[in-house]
Amino acid sequence: NAGVTQTPKFRVLKTGQSMTLLCAQDMNHEYMYWYRQDPGMGLRLIHYSVGEGTTAKGEVPDGYNVSRLKKQNFLLGLESAAPSQTSVYFCASSYSIRGETQYFGPGTRLLVL
Amino acid sequence: AQKVTQAQTEISVVEKEDVTLDCVYETRDTTYYLFWYKQPPSGELVFLIRRNSFDEQNEISGRYSWNFQKSTSSFNFTITASQVVDSAVYFCALSESLAMTTDSWGKLQFGAGTQVVVTP
Repeated sequence: NAGVTQTPKFRVLKTGQSMTLLCAQDMNHEYMYWYRQDPGMGLRLIHYSVGEGTTAKGEVPDGYNVSRLKKQNFLLGLESAAPSQTSVYFCASSYSIRGETQYFGPGTRLLVL
Repeated sequence: AQKVTQAQTEISVVEKEDVTLDCVYETRDTTYYLFWYKQPPSGELVFLIRRNSFDEQNEISGRYSWNFQKSTSSFNFTITASQVVDSAVYFCALSESLAMTTDSWGKLQFGAGTQVVVTP
């Protein structure tokens, strides 16, 4: 039981390049989330999904897109990376949305030059 | 507006000292949930505790204890007899009820975190 896994662990991009971050969970959770973590700001929600085929915007969605084609996977895309998107990205999942514990992946460190 | 405030940016202690991390939250909901997560230097986020708004009993788990006080909107966390392995950033988070506002769908709202440094 791997829990929540993220690929890749670390990536360097040049401004304007695109990439996709992959999140996978094996806990059969309905809800999945993408956060970014920046120094002194805690975690901020980018997008989330309440089930296969659904996505919704979080607190800081601009510059990102997501897809949830399979229940166990949640993809985060950057179409045209900007230095402001340099951050650590965390994926999380939970059984339900109301007050349930979210379990986090190990994070992806992204550097945009 | 910041819903969760962790006023302490960093706390440094010597091993075996106790350390208390403050967390103050803001909500108009009657049903909500509070969480603490630990982020060690390796970077992962580790779930520590979840508490709902109807359960004000304090909780102890080994060297960890939590003091939930609705009257002061606080959910403080104490590490007793700290150890070097306790060195980490600790986050407090709030999840509000679905019923209250249009954007209140149960998302986790994190505080900025408190860095705990335990030296031998």
